[in-house]
Amino acid sequence: EAGVTQFPSHSVIEKGQTVTLRCDPISGHDNLYWYRRVMGKEIKFLLHFVKESKQDESGMPNNRFLAERTGGTYSTLKVQPAELEDSGVYFCASSQVMGASSTDTQYFGPGTRLTVL
Amino acid sequence: LAKTTQPISMDSYEGQEVNITCSHNNIATNDYITWYQQFPSQGPRFIIQGYKTKVTNEVASLFIPADRKSSTLSLPRVSLSDTAVYYCLVAPVYNQGGKLIFGQGTELSVKP
Repeated sequence: EAGVTQFPSHSVIEKGQTVTLRCDPISGHDNLYWYRRVMGKEIKFLLHFVKESKQDESGMPNNRFLAERTGGTYSTLKVQPAELEDSGVYFCASSQVMGASSTDTQYFGPGTRLTVL
Repeated sequence: LAKTTQPISMDSYEGQEVNITCSHNNIATNDYITWYQQFPSQGPRFIIQGYKTKVTNEVASLFIPADRKSSTLSLPRVSLSDTAVYYCLVAPVYNQGGKLIFGQGTELSVKP
């Protein structure tokens, strides 16, 4: 079974430019999450999709970040315009929908390292 | 959401058993305890999860006392390849929210 994949693995852009990150979850997983770790900080939650709907976007830092998941399959995270503080590693994770008495094991992708110069 | 506290770093030698303890004093009734492992340049990887008492799988064991205010991840006979960051997380069941709250983790270094 293929795992969570992310593209690109690295991206170097200049301040003010736009970058789009892509995440392909494990097939059949309805839940898709975005996280990021900026330099020296902890991994922080950004948002959570259930299929194509945004379940929780409380971690999105500002309106320069736009996440989409059209059709409930892959997701994109666009940063426009990018700022220096957006540099970091962006992780995507996916999980199946579980029952009310179960927990939600998340499977992470390798991450996209974003560097904003 | 419950906050976790764990040592920032630990050193060990090949073949030893490593125990990493995590404190989660404010754990809620519906919270599970989950441990993830992260190697450099990779995403976190699920290791083990439990609610109470002891859980064992092919990778590790998880010990949880009756009050559930702490938990201990036990790695038997570590090897160099177990060098990684280990995260202790307290996560509610799915229907109460899916996001994971990561702390700074424990950086385990296994030496020859």
